[in-house]
Order: sequence, then structure tokens, then C-alpha cells
Amino acid sequence: GIQVEQSPPDLILQEGANSTLRCNFSDSVNNLQWFHQNPWGQLINLFYIPSGTKQNGRLSATTVATERYSLLYISSSQTTDSGVYFCAGLNQAGTALIFGKGTTLSVSS
Amino acid sequence: DGGITQSPKYLFRKEGQNVTLSCEQNLNHDAMYWYRQDPGQGLRLIYYSQIVNDFQKGDIAEGYSVSREKKESFPLTVTSAQKNPTAFYLCASSIQGAETQYFGPGTRLLVL
Repeated sequence: GIQVEQSPPDLILQEGANSTLRCNFSDSVNNLQWFHQNPWGQLINLFYIPSGTKQNGRLSATTVATERYSLLYISSSQTTDSGVYFCAGLNQAGTALIFGKGTTLSVSS
Repeated sequence: DGGITQSPKYLFRKEGQNVTLSCEQNLNHDAMYWYRQDPGQGLRLIYYSQIVNDFQKGDIAEGYSVSREKKESFPLTVTSAQKNPTAFYLCASSIQGAETQYFGPGTRLLVL
């Protein structure tokens, strides 16, 4: 079955709007992380969040490991937030990350 | 500056040709990884290496080969056996295991 599933696949926002991205993950995946891929392809770590809540500026993330989901919140979105957001979890062997298919965010001014 | 570099940024491959993608890191990380990304898809693991002179196949290793002769370097060869090589290739490294990985800027491979 699908190990890491993200929703929605696409999201279009006006600048200043807030959004929530969701990641569901199976029992075979742990140690959730969130990444942002900019339009040029560079992948940037946002959060390493196996459980609990973290905040970094306008972004915050919450993982409820017992219910196998994680949420990424973007507040007061800016055009520079555009790109693809991936969540990924560590496989059971602890050797590699399993990625979801991503949420493509487009923020217009 | 510390970081991960990949070269070239764009690479063109002719039919039947082997090509090698470079990945170098000066972060003193033990583990290095190669991923493939197709349009609209997440990243899929090709190969990984947790220590010098050792590497393991990922989910889609067929048609690819790697070497890890130095801690800093983890080159990926796309062989002629890879029938659909057009993709974006990303290299990553981490301190231990795969808890937090840091990614290079990527190489776009196109088939002529």
C-alpha cells in the first residue's frame, strides 16, 4: 500500500492566505520530515518532526504519530512560498527516506 | 562554504551511452544518497552509501551503478541498460542514517 500520501496534490492561493497541507503515513514509516522544492529544483529541509509541533516563522508543523499524520501550516503566504512541498519518512530499516508525491503550491500576488 | 554540489546542471545522453553524474559534499557526512524525480512524482531512491567502500541498492537501482571511494564523493553512472533515463537526479547526504538529509541542486538528464 501507499506508505506516504499527501493532500491536496495542488493548491492555488492568493498572497496573504493561509493553508494546511496534510501527510498520512503508514506503520512502516517514521520520523516525518517536511521539505520545500523551489521552482529551480532545490530541495530544502523545513522540519524534522517525528512528533509534536514546531514553528519557524510563518511555517509550522504538527505530527500526531499515533494517528499516522502530519500537517504543515503556512500562514500569510507569499509568492516565494510557491513550489512543491514534500513529506517523507524513514523506512523501517532506518536507511532511507520514503517520499510522498508532493503538494504543488502556487501563490499569486 | 559547506554544502553539496552536483555537476553538470544539465546532461544529454545519446542512445547506448553511459553517463556519470557527479556529487561532492564537504559536510563530513558519512551517508550519501541518489534519488530520481520524475514530473509530478516524489523522489525515489536509487542507491545509498552509509560508509566509504560500501553501498546498497534502493528501490530503482536497475540500470544504474555507483562507487564510494572517498567520503566526499558519490558518483552515479546511468548505464545504457536504463531505458528511460530522462529525469531530475538529486544527491543528498546525512550525518547518520537518514534522519535529516541535505540535498544538492540536482542534475537534469535528457536523452537525445
